[in-house]
Amino acid sequence: DSGVTQTPKHLITATGQRVTLRCSPRSGDLSVYWYQQSLDQGLQFLIQYYNGEERAKGNILERFSAQQFPDLHSELNLSSLELGDSALYFCASSAGTSGSSYEQYFGPGTRLTVT
Amino acid sequence: AQTVTQSQPEMSVQEAETVTLSCTYDTSENNYYLFWYKQPPSRQMILVIRQEAYKQQNATENRFSVNFQKAAKSFSLKISDSQLGDTAMYFCAFAGNQFYFGTGTSLTVIP
Repeated sequence: DSGVTQTPKHLITATGQRVTLRCSPRSGDLSVYWYQQSLDQGLQFLIQYYNGEERAKGNILERFSAQQFPDLHSELNLSSLELGDSALYFCASSAGTSGSSYEQYFGPGTRLTVT
Repeated sequence: AQTVTQSQPEMSVQEAETVTLSCTYDTSENNYYLFWYKQPPSRQMILVIRQEAYKQQNATENRFSVNFQKAAKSFSLKISDSQLGDTAMYFCAFAGNQFYFGTGTSLTVIP
């Protein structure tokens, strides 16, 4: 158990809908990262937050947005969903900013299926 | 721009044998960290080992060890006495100003 929690574990929704994925980092970790992993694909970095502020942005679509709250949990919002958005969405947390010396610990992921 | 390259999409090894997974990276940074992550069929991402770039000594964690060649920008993972539970996707990762993952190597341990 990494200490990072993600809810829900599974999500099935229809095209055009909007969903929210939630992540709670490990106790004390200030950074939260979001990744997308499609079937048999590598990890695509979406976005990073550090202590409530956006720190880095990857290949995140305009239909997607995220935020980190004062209690450090984070939410990833996906809207106008398309079939191609079906994937495993990971949240990871680390103690510091960027990568630096702090390894990332991953949650179990949320499996999103868009039908 | 930083890149992480894993040139072996798939590998296999006999149980109890040793296997080495390759990773190269490109960076202009001098201080950084390197990691190997394992993703078994459960899809959970598990940290296997980390290496600080300023350390010359190669990191080891039980049956897992790395061969870190800073000048060559190479960071390979050696798995000794391979076990069936080592069957997984292995990702190399670079951590400097940002975090970068390689595309992964799928390792199958054959009984």
